[in-house]
Amino acid sequence: DQQVKQNSPSLSVQEGRISILNCDYTNSMFDYFLWYKKYPAEGPTFLISISSIKDKNEDGRFTVFLNKSAKHLSLHIVPSQPGDSAVYFCAASQNYGGSQGNLIFGKGTKLSVKP
Amino acid sequence: EAGVAQSPRYKIIEKRQSVAFWCNPISGHATLYWYQQILGQGPKLLIQFQNNGVVDDSQLPKDRFSAERLKGVDSTLKIQPAKLEDSAVYLCASSLNRGYSPLHFGNGTRLTVT
Repeated sequence: DQQVKQNSPSLSVQEGRISILNCDYTNSMFDYFLWYKKYPAEGPTFLISISSIKDKNEDGRFTVFLNKSAKHLSLHIVPSQPGDSAVYFCAASQNYGGSQGNLIFGKGTKLSVKP
Repeated sequence: EAGVAQSPRYKIIEKRQSVAFWCNPISGHATLYWYQQILGQGPKLLIQFQNNGVVDDSQLPKDRFSAERLKGVDSTLKIQPAKLEDSAVYLCASSLNRGYSPLHFGNGTRLTVT
């Protein structure tokens, strides 16, 4: 039973255009959401996060949107660059009385940005 | 700030052999995690430590996997005996224990069981 789903295994985008990566979750108790980027032979690198009290968080070219009613979040990358080509993982966790629970990951979406 | 250190980077063993992985978290990070990432999947939690106590080991196959975090800093993960399905990347991560804190991952150990 997958609690975090990334339904697109891959995405190809032209350099300079917008990349939109999507993620759905089923557990309404999740209250913290993160995106990680992973290059081959490296560990996942934290990219951006959002707590459930917000619906948008922005950091440079990266923006995460959260729609709690739809249990959906998305990552927007504008403008996309060839160096953004990587696997992107969506993750979620539940806070237990001030202590953060472990992260539940999706299967990832492989983004290819073509020059 | 030094990142999460893991060793070895790669390990090839035969089934039924044993193997151990080592992790040194970011200094000051009280929480340490071991994740297993099978090819084509997202990382899956094996065990979570808070200082040197276990917080969650519900998904750790305890008949063959064990982990410890002595003195609340370094940690080791052991598999004995290994099975073919244990072939995966084993990722260590650490985080601060306050509020919403992202996990910081090491580069992992790629284990191949033949």
